[in-house]
Amino acid sequence: QQQVKQSPQSLIVQKGGISIINCAYENTAFDYFPWYQQFPGKGPALLIAIRPDVSEKKEGRFTISFNKSAKQFSLHIMDSQPGDSATYFCAARVPGNMLTFGGGTRLMVKP
Amino acid sequence: DAGVTQSPTHLIKTRGQQVTLRCSPKSGHDTVSWYQQALGQGPQFIFQYYEEEERQRGNFPDRFSGHQFPNYSSELNVNALLLGDSALYLCASSPGQDGYTFGSGTRLTVV
Repeated sequence: QQQVKQSPQSLIVQKGGISIINCAYENTAFDYFPWYQQFPGKGPALLIAIRPDVSEKKEGRFTISFNKSAKQFSLHIMDSQPGDSATYFCAARVPGNMLTFGGGTRLMVKP
Repeated sequence: DAGVTQSPTHLIKTRGQQVTLRCSPKSGHDTVSWYQQALGQGPQFIFQYYEEEERQRGNFPDRFSGHQFPNYSSELNVNALLLGDSALYLCASSPGQDGYTFGSGTRLTVV
């Protein structure tokens, strides 16, 4: 019940395109849904986060869409750039601050 | 302002040995969490420390133990190392319930 399922595992997008990564969860007690970006040899860095009382949040080229009834949320990267090439993780937090991560999506943006 | 600092960056140990990993949290952060990230997977929660006590624990055996010091820094100890313990160990600090900052991790290889 703590699992967060992420898809796709890998994604190739042309420069300027839209990258879309999806996550689904089961535990309705999750109260915070962040997305992390991880470059090789580095730890995950918080990209953007949303709470379940909001359906969409946008920060620059990054947008989270949240569907509470379907228990799904997604990350959209608009105008994708080669510098966005990294591994992206969705996560969900149970009350008390423990994060449960998805399996990750390796994004490659081709110039 | 320094972020989360982890040491060492890389470590090679022999099966059966014991290892200690160290973490200095970001300034102003009082909560430290440890995660294990196997190659190609998302981070898995090990445990969290607050006020020098283990507050939460994930599904890891008792071979994994930790400590938090009065200055909020933390150690992760793993006894009787197994080959399967080879992973990137991430420390994350936060000022309470929100705002995780991850370190770059310690890459542990067990041979």
